[in-house]
Amino acid sequence: NAGVTQTPKFQVLKTGQSMTLQCAQDMNHEYMSWYRQDPGMGLRLIHYSVGAGITDQGEVPNGYNVSRSTTEDFPLRLLSAAPSQTSVYFCASSYGSGELVDHNEQFFGPGTRLTVL
Amino acid sequence: GENVEQHPSTLSVQEGDSAVIKCTYSDSASNYFPWYKQELGKGPQLIIDIRSNVGEKKDQRIAVTLNKTAKHFSLHITETQPEDSAVYFCAASLWGYALNFGKGTSLLVTP
Repeated sequence: NAGVTQTPKFQVLKTGQSMTLQCAQDMNHEYMSWYRQDPGMGLRLIHYSVGAGITDQGEVPNGYNVSRSTTEDFPLRLLSAAPSQTSVYFCASSYGSGELVDHNEQFFGPGTRLTVL
Repeated sequence: GENVEQHPSTLSVQEGDSAVIKCTYSDSASNYFPWYKQELGKGPQLIIDIRSNVGEKKDQRIAVTLNKTAKHFSLHITETQPEDSAVYFCAASLWGYALNFGKGTSLLVTP
């Protein structure tokens, strides 16, 4: 299994440009999520999905859109990039919730480092 | 919403000593508490987790304790090694959804 994969690894955008960060997992996980990591801020949840066709907002959703058309993929879209969106973005997945603690473990991808000029 | 506070922000220990990182959470409904290790340039990796119906869990040199009444949980690393040097994050959530992370602890283990 490749686990959670993210593309691209690095990206530089100009203010106002749009782009999509790709995330895919091959573990048949129902739950997927996007976090951003900023220095001294830990990881903050942007959006998450509990299954295909279902998405919800996290702590910092403004400026980002998501969709979940398949179990495997969970792309993150920036419609009009702003310098405040300069960050490292991580995608994660897990089996989901339930009594089994093993099902709660979230597996993280390697991250995408985004710079908005 | 859930607020997780983590201390200390940096920790330096000698190889072989123990390291303790503490977190507090605000939402008494939270029932899942994972700890992640992040090495430079990589994504976080789960090292241990605990549910609210368990007070302590151990895995070799790593242990986590949970005090539900006080709403705090701690990571204990014994016999530290240089490869333990990394950033550690605690998190709290309900059933593993929507993790709320602490701001991280940078651990340095010196030989």
